[in-house]
Amino acid sequence: KAGVTQTPRYLIKTRGQQVTLSCSPISGHRSVSWYQQTPGQGLQFLFEYFSETQRNKGNFPGRFSGRQFSNSRSEMNVSTLELGDSALYLCASSFNVVTEAFFGQGTRLTVV
Amino acid sequence: GIQVEQSPPDLILQEGANSTLRCNFSDSVNNLQWFHQNPWGQLINLFYIPSGTKQNGRLSATTVATERYSLLYISSSQTTDSGVYFCAEFYGQNFVFGPGTRLSVLP
Repeated sequence: KAGVTQTPRYLIKTRGQQVTLSCSPISGHRSVSWYQQTPGQGLQFLFEYFSETQRNKGNFPGRFSGRQFSNSRSEMNVSTLELGDSALYLCASSFNVVTEAFFGQGTRLTVV
Repeated sequence: GIQVEQSPPDLILQEGANSTLRCNFSDSVNNLQWFHQNPWGQLINLFYIPSGTKQNGRLSATTVATERYSLLYISSSQTTDSGVYFCAEFYGQNFVFGPGTRLSVLP
């Protein structure tokens, strides 16, 4: 059974650009959550999608957005990148959000 | 919201030693998970343990939900056990993570 796949693994962007990250969950899982990890703030919740609907959103500015497709794959987008957006972005897959979650390898974003 | 504390923050061991990592919660525990973050950043599931005790090889975990804490035991540690260990509790609609315990196992 394939795990959670995140692409790309590494990304370097310039301030002001936008970026799109992708997450393919485990087959049969309908919930996809996104987390940001930085040395200063630790792991923080961004948003969660279930059956193409955003059910919950963390305390991040509107520059952070996402969506989920009918096959449960999810994308997150960050517009007008800032230096502080440099982080490891992790995606979690679960059958339902309250059940055991499995994480992908993450996308390491560097904004220069 | 829920507060999650982990101790110790850092731990350095010689290969073969045993260790105990602790996680304390400020609210009730219902969906606790332990993760190991490897050097490449991936969070690896160790245990889904809302209560009771589970064992998987050299690792075991115990959650005492009524007292709002969980323990992760690592026996006969190996260098590959190095990394950061996180506990997380599902609260509201998302996981809330502790700050992590950074474990270094020396050969």
